[in-house]
Amino acid sequence: EPEVTQTPSHQVTQMGQEVILRCVPISNHLYFYWYRQILGQKVEFLVSFYNNEISEKSEIFDDQFSVERPDGSNFTLKIRSTKLEDSAMYFCASSDGDRGTYEQYFGPGTRLTVT
Amino acid sequence: AQKITQTQPGMFVQEKEAVTLDCTYDTSDQSYGLFWYKQPSSGEMIFLIYQGSYDEQNATEGRYSLNFQKARKSANLVISASQLGDSAMYFCAMNSYSSASKIIFGSGTRLSIRP
Repeated sequence: EPEVTQTPSHQVTQMGQEVILRCVPISNHLYFYWYRQILGQKVEFLVSFYNNEISEKSEIFDDQFSVERPDGSNFTLKIRSTKLEDSAMYFCASSDGDRGTYEQYFGPGTRLTVT
Repeated sequence: AQKITQTQPGMFVQEKEAVTLDCTYDTSDQSYGLFWYKQPSSGEMIFLIYQGSYDEQNATEGRYSLNFQKARKSANLVISASQLGDSAMYFCAMNSYSSASKIIFGSGTRLSIRP
């Protein structure tokens, strides 16, 4: 069964460093998303992406964040200058939008630790 | 704005018993989708079940069923014949009925199955 993949599974970085989290959505999906989950809290929406542009973003998704689909398969989230409060699990999700359920399939997540 | 409320932070259930996880929602949208996700201790988000707001029948997927009461704005998850592997965090979630709509999550219920 096709699945969303994410790399790396765990990233440790120092405050102020740039990080890029990578995702490979399901191949025929058209809609892509990033969510984050701070430890012990609920999952929060960051951004949605369709047709090579951002569809919607939350107030969390400030100028430090950017997303890109550099080729036909990868979808990346970049944090320009990480802060301690960026430590969280980051989930990528994708959806085909045509099945009538708008079900989003989540990747296994990247645990980001900022020290 | 949409909101999901899960009032049970934690539950303990005996193996093989049925369990109901509560979820209420609030939205001004006429068309929306309701989801349940399972998050085991390993951290990934596993899609369990989906209910569209116009679906007249309650959704079922194997041992999972969604008890949808539209007038009461509730979308409870019922797990029949619980198993030890059902121990996990469970999130109720919703989105608007459009292809690129973000998912809004509740705070979750931690379910523990006793042998």
